[in-house]
Amino acid sequence: QQPVQSPQAVILREGEDAVINCSSSKALYSVHWYRQKHGEAPVFLMILLKGGEQKGHEKISASFNEKKQQSSLYLTASQLSYSGTYFCGTPVTTDSWGKFQFGAGTQVVVTP
Amino acid sequence: DVKVTQSSRYLVKRTGEKVFLECVQDMDHENMFWYRQDPGLGLRLIYFSYDVKMKEKGDIPEGYSVSREKKERFSLILESASTNQTSMYLCASSFATGRRPPLHFGNGTRLTVT
Repeated sequence: QQPVQSPQAVILREGEDAVINCSSSKALYSVHWYRQKHGEAPVFLMILLKGGEQKGHEKISASFNEKKQQSSLYLTASQLSYSGTYFCGTPVTTDSWGKFQFGAGTQVVVTP
Repeated sequence: DVKVTQSSRYLVKRTGEKVFLECVQDMDHENMFWYRQDPGLGLRLIYFSYDVKMKEKGDIPEGYSVSREKKERFSLILESASTNQTSMYLCASSFATGRRPPLHFGNGTRLTVT
């Protein structure tokens, strides 16, 4: 079963913050975050490998809570360039190969 | 820079046709994936391959098959295209070593079946 993302969409003004959540009914071994701009390929942002780990990319950071089987992506002081669809992705097993599933995506629109 | 190239950006096919979508990567990646992207459903895994001639079904393999004869090339085949296979198809690749390295995506093929 795919991970579940929320919200489905969010509209922000430049400078505002937002949180995107990703949760799973199965154990999470790691979580990837990707961003896809309109008409382009999804691009890798970051990977979280340990419980409680936080990583960052520009002013975008993420946390990973293994116990709660969820990850959150934080968009801080959003910029116009943050607009796009954000996907979380998770491997089904701990192997470095095998099924890799994505959530349905969260569309982010940042307005001036 | 990793390059994943999908042979066509847009394709229009008729119902019942056999359709080939081609994907080539230039980074010697072991893993290759085919996803289908539909609004509100995100990226759904059709098939993946972890080695030449090795493949496994993803979450929605019905109506599709794949071929991986060479490490750099992974083909998605629609044996008899149907209108419900109209979608954006994304190919991706990654290494199979280390702690789950990132996926690199191609630009996608938008397939319309009429």
